[in-house]
Amino acid sequence: DAGVIQSTRHEVTEMGQEVTLRCKPISGHDYLFWYRQTMMRGLELLIYFNNNVPIDDSGMPEDRFSAKMPNASFSTLKIQPSEPRDSAVYFCASSFGGAGRSYEQYFGPGTRLTVT
Amino acid sequence: QKEVEQNSGPLSVPEGAIASLNCTYSDRGSQSFFWYRQYSGKSPELIMSIYSNGDKEDGRFTAQLNKASQYVSLLIRDSQPSDSATYLCALDHSGNTPLVFGKGTRLSVIA
Repeated sequence: DAGVIQSTRHEVTEMGQEVTLRCKPISGHDYLFWYRQTMMRGLELLIYFNNNVPIDDSGMPEDRFSAKMPNASFSTLKIQPSEPRDSAVYFCASSFGGAGRSYEQYFGPGTRLTVT
Repeated sequence: QKEVEQNSGPLSVPEGAIASLNCTYSDRGSQSFFWYRQYSGKSPELIMSIYSNGDKEDGRFTAQLNKASQYVSLLIRDSQPSDSATYLCALDHSGNTPLVFGKGTRLSVIA
């Protein structure tokens, strides 16, 4: 298996611009997670999906952030407009879920976002 | 009280020694426990999972779980400089997705 794919490793954009991060989960996994990691705050869960449906977006910091999962093999995280404080590493992860038990989550390589 | 607590380190051990990494948690309903390793500039990599009390060994790694005392630990035997990384403890919340992550312990293995 190719693992979780985040094809863009580094993204640089200017403040005020829209930025879209992309993720392809592991085939067969029914959960997809978006995380943000900074030195100060560590790993933060932003939003997660189950069977393409958003389950909890309480970690999304502001309305500037939105995420979609149009099908089982693709998800996007969009920031519009971007701000310098959004600079961080954004990870996508996926897992197979089961009743009453959490299964292993596998992370993509991450996208390092720099907003100037 | 934080849900998952780890000492941030750095934990320094000499090459060949046993590194002991600890994690405590607050939710007694947690059922699944994981250790991730994260090298600088890389993504978290799953290295161990444990679901029942006791020890689970995989090569140089041993995960230990004690649900009564609410802690999980990771032992790394014969530590190597290549083990130098941040180790993240993760667990579920009463058996539910998603996982809750600790902030990690930075391990430094000195040659």
